[in-house]
Amino acid sequence: RKEVEQDPGPFNVPEGATVAFNCTYSNSASQSFFWYRQDCRKEPKLLMSVYSSGNEDGRFTAQLNRASQYISLLIRDSKLSDSATYLCVVNQAGTALIFGKGTTLSVSS
Amino acid sequence: EPEVTQTPSHQVTQMGQEVILRCVPISNHLYFYWYRQILGQKVEFLVSFYNNEISEKSEIFDDQFSVERPDGSNFTLKIRSTKLEDSAMYFCASSGAGEQYFGPGTRLTVT
Repeated sequence: RKEVEQDPGPFNVPEGATVAFNCTYSNSASQSFFWYRQDCRKEPKLLMSVYSSGNEDGRFTAQLNRASQYISLLIRDSKLSDSATYLCVVNQAGTALIFGKGTTLSVSS
Repeated sequence: EPEVTQTPSHQVTQMGQEVILRCVPISNHLYFYWYRQILGQKVEFLVSFYNNEISEKSEIFDDQFSVERPDGSNFTLKIRSTKLEDSAMYFCASSGAGEQYFGPGTRLTVT
C-alpha cells in the first residue's frame, strides 16, 4: 500500500475557479502534515503546514482528518501562477518527509 | 531571505565514477537532509544528519552513499561508484526544529 496517495490529475481549471486536492496517508502514526508546491524541474517549496483544526493562508485552506487519514487543500480564485504540482507530505516518527507523487494543476486564462 | 544552495546545478558522470554533491544549508539550521527525485517520480528521502552523525536513512542509502559535513557550512553527498539508475535530481534540505526548506537541486546524469 502506498504511503501517501494523491490523485495525479491533471486538474485543468479557468482563472478564478476553486479547486480542491485530496490526499490520504497510510501510517496512523504520522505526526506532521504539509503541502508543498513544485514547479517543473524545480525544488519543492513549502506552501503550508496542515494543522488538526484546519488552517488558512490567503486563498489556500488546508484540512486534516486524522480519523480518516485524509488531508485536503482548497485553492480559491485560482491564478495563472498557481499552475504547478502540489505535493502532499507527511512526517512519521523521525525526520524523513514522505512525499506523495503530486497533483498537477493547470490554470488557464 | 536565507536559502539553501547547491552546487553544481548539473553533473554529468560516467558509470562507475565517484561524484560529490555539495550543499550549503541555511546558516542557523541544525538538521540536514538529502532527497532524490527520479524523473517523473516522487521525491524520496535518502538520509538525515544531525549533530555530526546520520540520524536516519532509507533503504536507498546503501554503502555506495555517504554524507559529510566537512566544515561549518558545507554538507556533502558522495556516491562512490555511480550507476545508471542513480540519474536523478538530488535535493538538499535543512530545518531548524520544524519545516524543511529545499535547495534548488543538482541534476545528476550518469552515462
